[in-house]
Amino acid sequence: EAQVTQNPRYLITVTGKKLTVTCSQNMNHEYMSWYRQDPGLGLRQIYYSMNVEVTDKGDVPEGYKVSRKEKRNFPLILESPSPNQTSLYFCASSLQTGGTEAFFGQGTRLTVV
Amino acid sequence: ILNVEQSPQSLHVQEGDSTNFTCSFPSSNFYALHWYRWETAKSPEALFVMTLNGDEKKKGRISATLNTKEGYSYLYIKGSQPEDSATYLCAFEDSGYALNFGKGTSLLVTP
Repeated sequence: EAQVTQNPRYLITVTGKKLTVTCSQNMNHEYMSWYRQDPGLGLRQIYYSMNVEVTDKGDVPEGYKVSRKEKRNFPLILESPSPNQTSLYFCASSLQTGGTEAFFGQGTRLTVV
Repeated sequence: ILNVEQSPQSLHVQEGDSTNFTCSFPSSNFYALHWYRWETAKSPEALFVMTLNGDEKKKGRISATLNTKEGYSYLYIKGSQPEDSATYLCAFEDSGYALNFGKGTSLLVTP
């Protein structure tokens, strides 16, 4: 089954404790991205990757890191999480950049206390 | 961050009613316009991706139109059913690198 898999689905952590949210897709998609969803706001892009070893900042990259060592995986790293990073996070992939539908993971609800 | 506006913010209709939502986006540097359906506790799923001015797409009872010159798209649902209850998101793509999402229209269909 074609899918984007995120883990964990839910996470409560403390300020400053490094964490990684994993994202994996099995559709051989070139383009992957991370979004966060906050109440009253639309989905906002954090980082994106156009292919292996090619990543770039989105609209809200501060406090986040990503890597794309393999085509299928695109982890989101929070080196020192803060309470303002409490949010619902989505990973998405699409066949290529431009004009193709995005496939979303199940979401990760992160709470930083 | 590009300004993508969706209206109305929320909508409550009776089963069988037809309804429509609007997405407004910048009319310059257009690349594509996406519509997604997002059910509670699930992930957004693509409905349509439109790239050409005048595009009209249809999937069952749901259809969408696109006007890139004036910067708007309409999503129509004919004969709404309770299972259509969801948040409908539109996203504007200007360069091919990023989707700029609106805040969504939340639809509730009651029997």
